[in-house]
Amino acid sequence: EIVLTQSPDTLSLSPGERATVSCRASQSVSTSYFAWYQQKPGQAPRLLIFGASSRATGIPDRFSGSGSGTDFTLTISRLEPEDFAIYYCQQYGSSPFTFGGGTKVEIK
Amino acid sequence: EVQLVESGGGLVQPGGSLRLSCAASEFTLSSYWMTWVRQAPGKGLEWVAIINQDGSEKYYVDSVKGRIILSRDNAKNSLYFQLTSLRAEDTAVYYCARGGITRRDALDIWGQGTMVTVSS
Repeated sequence: EIVLTQSPDTLSLSPGERATVSCRASQSVSTSYFAWYQQKPGQAPRLLIFGASSRATGIPDRFSGSGSGTDFTLTISRLEPEDFAIYYCQQYGSSPFTFGGGTKVEIK
Repeated sequence: EVQLVESGGGLVQPGGSLRLSCAASEFTLSSYWMTWVRQAPGKGLEWVAIINQDGSEKYYVDSVKGRIILSRDNAKNSLYFQLTSLRAEDTAVYYCARGGITRRDALDIWGQGTMVTVSS
């Protein structure tokens, strides 16, 4: 099983600032099979990024994904009020298709 | 609107079983691999299981192997999840989510989730 470790656990930032969330895999993951999701309280997760760097339909371009091998990054270039949420990475290249533990982006 | 709606959650006794349903709207379920993900209260997401378009391929996380039955009725545009020998650690919100036409696809549509509580 591929274990995904996200850092930091919590990111305290102000609107307008840049957010960087990291995800490290216990073994190499193909970039084709890596995703990021956003989850707000009481809601289902929402797909942001697939294939490590492709934005899902309707996702603003302030969200970007990068990385390869075992290290992947989600960047939010300028935080909007609606971006404060929990972010999860996922690999779907090797079953079970595991998720990271989540990173909470909170208002400072 | 393209959506998934889960139902069937509730309070279940330890050792009991549950059967969840997931109904798809405004898209043809039979074209997609479908996944179940769960989230324990205050915890992160856990990938649980996946089923292919005709139900002939299924993959599970180790913690549910031997206790899970996944099925689908494409004519009814519905997906089903059964779990037996329930334990406290099965307490979670259960989500169904749409994958793609291949097994290795991200989850682009999620249901709102249904809460299952395992407790006496």
